[in-house]
Amino acid sequence: AQKITQTQPGMFVQEKEAVTLDCTYDTSDQSYGLFWYKQPSSGEMIFLIYQGSYDEQNATEGRYSLNFQKARKSANLVISASQLGDSAMYFCAMREGGSPGTSYGKLTFGQGTILTVHP
Amino acid sequence: NAGVTQTPKFQVLKTGQSMTLQCAQDMNHNSMYWYRQDPGMGLRLIYYSASEGTTDKGEVPNGYNVSRLNKREFSLRLESAAPSQTSVYFCASSPVPGDYNEQFFGPGTRLTVL
Repeated sequence: AQKITQTQPGMFVQEKEAVTLDCTYDTSDQSYGLFWYKQPSSGEMIFLIYQGSYDEQNATEGRYSLNFQKARKSANLVISASQLGDSAMYFCAMREGGSPGTSYGKLTFGQGTILTVHP
Repeated sequence: NAGVTQTPKFQVLKTGQSMTLQCAQDMNHNSMYWYRQDPGMGLRLIYYSASEGTTDKGEVPNGYNVSRLNKREFSLRLESAAPSQTSVYFCASSPVPGDYNEQFFGPGTRLTVL
């Protein structure tokens, strides 16, 4: 079974509008972390936002926010006021808990969502 | 700070050839990782090193070996390259294990095996 599922292969949004990119995850661990990365056409991986499983509030970083619904095991990325430069591939990733120094830090990635922002 | 650097940026190999991908980080991070990204896919973990002197297999280790040369450097070796290893390879690093483990990625190495 896939641990990270991104069901939207592609999304389109008009400039200045908000968009939500979906991510669901599967884990039996109590301690885990969820990440979103952006990969523009140039290929580099850019960290956007992080949510810990014990964080009670949804994470926010500028125009990015993470809609964390623990019971539903979803961690959707919301981008407000989209810009042309937001056009990229977006990956959701999960770090599952474990003994420090062993499984900590290993990320499992979803297949990504290509976001296209139209002017 | 250069962050995470990888060499080479591009490489073309013939089936059966060997090569080593180099990765270095200057952030004094404990943990380092090698991922591969196939077209249209997310990244998959090949090997990782939680700390200097240790290495462990990830999801797709077959056909690869790694060396954690020192705290800064983590290399990935293909002993006998196969077309199935055509991919983009990313090295990443993260600080001391804790609840927040942002991984910092290198720019990637695009490898083609003919």
